Amino acid sequence: DVKVTQSSRYLVKRTGEKVFLECVQDMDHENMFWYRQDPGLGLRLIYFSYDVKMKEKGDIPEGYSVSREKKERFSLILESASTNQTSMYLCASSSLGRVWETQYFGPGTRLLVL
Amino acid sequence: AQTVTQSQPEMSVQEAETVTLSCTYDTSESDYYLFWYKQPPSRQMILVIRQEAYKQQNATENRFSVNFQKAAKSFSLKISDSQLGDAAMYFCAYRKGYGGSQGNLIFGKGTKLSVKP
Repeated sequence: DVKVTQSSRYLVKRTGEKVFLECVQDMDHENMFWYRQDPGLGLRLIYFSYDVKMKEKGDIPEGYSVSREKKERFSLILESASTNQTSMYLCASSSLGRVWETQYFGPGTRLLVL
Repeated sequence: AQTVTQSQPEMSVQEAETVTLSCTYDTSESDYYLFWYKQPPSRQMILVIRQEAYKQQNATENRFSVNFQKAAKSFSLKISDSQLGDAAMYFCAYRKGYGGSQGNLIFGKGTKLSVKP
């Protein structure tokens, strides 16, 4: 079974802190994604990556950056956390070649910025 | 740009009955995929069912089936014999079948389904 894990289920940070959210997948997937989920807004794509060291902006990249140094790991970075970044963050991965396949999601990290 | 609309923020169904969740989408593409995802409370998002646009036959997975109307750009999910474990947020999603961002999904805002015992 595909497994996507995220480093924390819950995280509490203070305004201005640098925050790292880690995601690891074990299926050798090329594509990896970071979403933000807010009530009434669904899932919005922050960044995605289709290869090591490659990244592309999604719909809401402002205030975020990402890092992909290894194929299995995709990190989301909040350079200076703000209260409006309080949200649920979901990581996902998928295969580049098999377009009919789904994305596989991690359990999510619920981030609270005080 | 493609969009996905779920017009029902919340739905409720009695256990053992049938419920239909609505989804419409807007695209000019002819090759694409549609998905329904389920996100139970505090649990991982999982795929419920998938439909390829080139297939005329509606997809079915046990108690879950879709009504795919390509011309109307409609993709509804029918849950038969509803169970308490079906209570969750359901997201409809669209993906192009090709292109550089071929893995990207566009999600609707979700429908929260409650199941009454």
